[in-house]
Amino acid sequence: DAKTTQPPSMDCAEGRAANLPCNHSTISGNEYVYWYRQIHSQGPQYIIHGLKNNETNEMASLIITEDRKSSTLILPHATLRDTAVYYCIVRPRGATNKLIFGTGTLLAVQP
Amino acid sequence: DSGVTQTPKHLITATGQRVTLRCSPRSGDLSVYWYQQSLDQGLQFLIQYYNGEERAKGNILERFSAQQFPDLHSELNLSSLELGDSALYFCASSVEGKTEAFFGQGTRLTVV
Repeated sequence: DAKTTQPPSMDCAEGRAANLPCNHSTISGNEYVYWYRQIHSQGPQYIIHGLKNNETNEMASLIITEDRKSSTLILPHATLRDTAVYYCIVRPRGATNKLIFGTGTLLAVQP
Repeated sequence: DSGVTQTPKHLITATGQRVTLRCSPRSGDLSVYWYQQSLDQGLQFLIQYYNGEERAKGNILERFSAQQFPDLHSELNLSSLELGDSALYFCASSVEGKTEAFFGQGTRLTVV
């Protein structure tokens, strides 16, 4: 499986956009980028996924670079409840949900 | 609320004992996954079942076993428990193996 690299921690002011980067330089053409988050000791929560086009849903936006070697998850207006560990995961198209979680990024939203 | 239900929420047991963790997937989901999260190992995939059959296996110990029943609920059996088995155990489900997974709130197992 392709590996991902994320900063261990980030801070963001409440109400501002949170931009979480992920490097996946060895990603293959048939692999999707998935984002999950885990609020303290709760079950991981699916956020968004994409292949090569930018994606947006009610929770976040996902920006994937043209070469697909990196991506950014954007939470447009972060709230205190967005404080969590965010995981960037690469998963092949059609593969099972045998997700390989790395160490993620701890996003701390400050009041 | 993800729609995935896990019971019990907390479990404390002694070394050498056996426990069973239960998971009810979201309505309509055929795939069930089990994950273990310990402080030193992070989130680790254990095993997947699809419509009653084992589909994928991860770092699951031989002392651990799982099954998925005809009503699609799943049980994870942990035996000969050791202190190191203390962890959060999460169940997830998806419509089938290829769509996004939804996780339950986990069972916190403490082995003393």
